[in-house]
Amino acid sequence: SQQGEEDPQALSIQEGENATMNCSYKTSINNLQWYRQNSGRGLVHLILIRSNEREKHSGRLRVTLDTSKKSSSLLITASRAADTASYFCATEERGYQKVTFGIGTKLQVIP
Amino acid sequence: DGGITQSPKYLFRKEGQNVTLSCEQNLNHDAMYWYRQDPGQGLRLIYYSQIVNDFQKGDIAEGYSVSREKKESFPLTVTSAQKNPTAFYLCASSKGPDYEQYFGPGTRLTVT
Repeated sequence: SQQGEEDPQALSIQEGENATMNCSYKTSINNLQWYRQNSGRGLVHLILIRSNEREKHSGRLRVTLDTSKKSSSLLITASRAADTASYFCATEERGYQKVTFGIGTKLQVIP
Repeated sequence: DGGITQSPKYLFRKEGQNVTLSCEQNLNHDAMYWYRQDPGQGLRLIYYSQIVNDFQKGDIAEGYSVSREKKESFPLTVTSAQKNPTAFYLCASSKGPDYEQYFGPGTRLTVT
């Protein structure tokens, strides 16, 4: 079953603009992770945010987590053409030792 | 160079044949995972292993089998019982629960 649901499913922006992707989930979690996938390749881990954290930054990436709303957002600032990829959220459900992925947001950054 | 490797990158098989996909890691990770990805879809968990000689079924284990005889290796066999085996298969490893996963480059399996 898919725990996380990303929104929007597709996003197209101009280079330099910010991109925001959202993820909603259904159960209590230990952590939420964001990954990036370039077409036809493996996933690359971006950020892990634990259930007791509210915000995390890494370079141009900012992730927020609202456990009361069971949602997270990934913000990419000053986007570049190289940011074009699919972005997935993944949740580790409390009490389970596995991670469940959403269906992803496909981001296109137009030069 | 530490990392996780999968081979081969592309694999073609005839229907009715079993096929084994390789996954090796030298990151000294305890946990390893197998996912399946279909076009335009997210990842679905097939099997995972938190420690050597132990593994658990994921959400779509039917028609697949695994072994974990060594810490570094977690091969996946796609059996003839798997009804729709054509897909992109991704292997990952991590230190364990509550840690990020590191992914291999994937194997694209086509069964005709």
